[in-house]
Amino acid sequence: GESVGLHLPTLSVQEGDNSIINCAYSNSASDYFIWYKQESGKGPQFIIDIRSNMDKRQGQRVTVLLNKTVKHLSLQIAATQPGDSAVYFCAEIRGFKTIFGAGTRLFVKA
Amino acid sequence: DTEVTQTPKHLVMGMTNKKSLKCEQHMGHRAMYWYKQKAKKPPELMFVYSYEKLSINESVPSRFSPECPNSSLLNLHLHALQPEDSALYLCASSQANLVVTGELFFGEGSRLTVL
Repeated sequence: GESVGLHLPTLSVQEGDNSIINCAYSNSASDYFIWYKQESGKGPQFIIDIRSNMDKRQGQRVTVLLNKTVKHLSLQIAATQPGDSAVYFCAEIRGFKTIFGAGTRLFVKA
Repeated sequence: DTEVTQTPKHLVMGMTNKKSLKCEQHMGHRAMYWYKQKAKKPPELMFVYSYEKLSINESVPSRFSPECPNSSLLNLHLHALQPEDSALYLCASSQANLVVTGELFFGEGSRLTVL
């Protein structure tokens, strides 16, 4: 079946370094994606979104890149901070459904 | 602080019990959702309500019964659950049309343990 997935289950980075979290999707018709952050004991929280008519979108300290040719998304976090430690999910919007990928746990080392 | 409130935060129930999870939002959102999340797994969609009507049921067993009494409230009634139903149950809300703005606003979840 079609899915939204991630390359790495865990990522460990040094505080202050940049983080890159990757996501692959299989539905070539997908045209709207969102990154969510889930901290321990909390629900997922919206970070940034991107539509298929864009290759790149920037927010505060975060950038999402979309490569439609290889069906790949990435989330870049600049100057990673301890508060960025969480699980990150890419998600695909399909009508009324939000389909979540497997998730990557980001550890930030002080 | 989340604008979607879920109660209870923790629930332990036996397989013969009947209980309910509750969710409330006051953002004027007209779509509400139930997701199930097992440990170290992504949230899985269970139900979608749009304008207080059930629009999507992801083949969820009938022992889970959703209810949307009004545009601010969403309930999940639980009956005759199995231990494998133990999970974090997340409620979310959004603008009615995800194509326009896809952001889901999640509550902190109700952690359910079935004995």
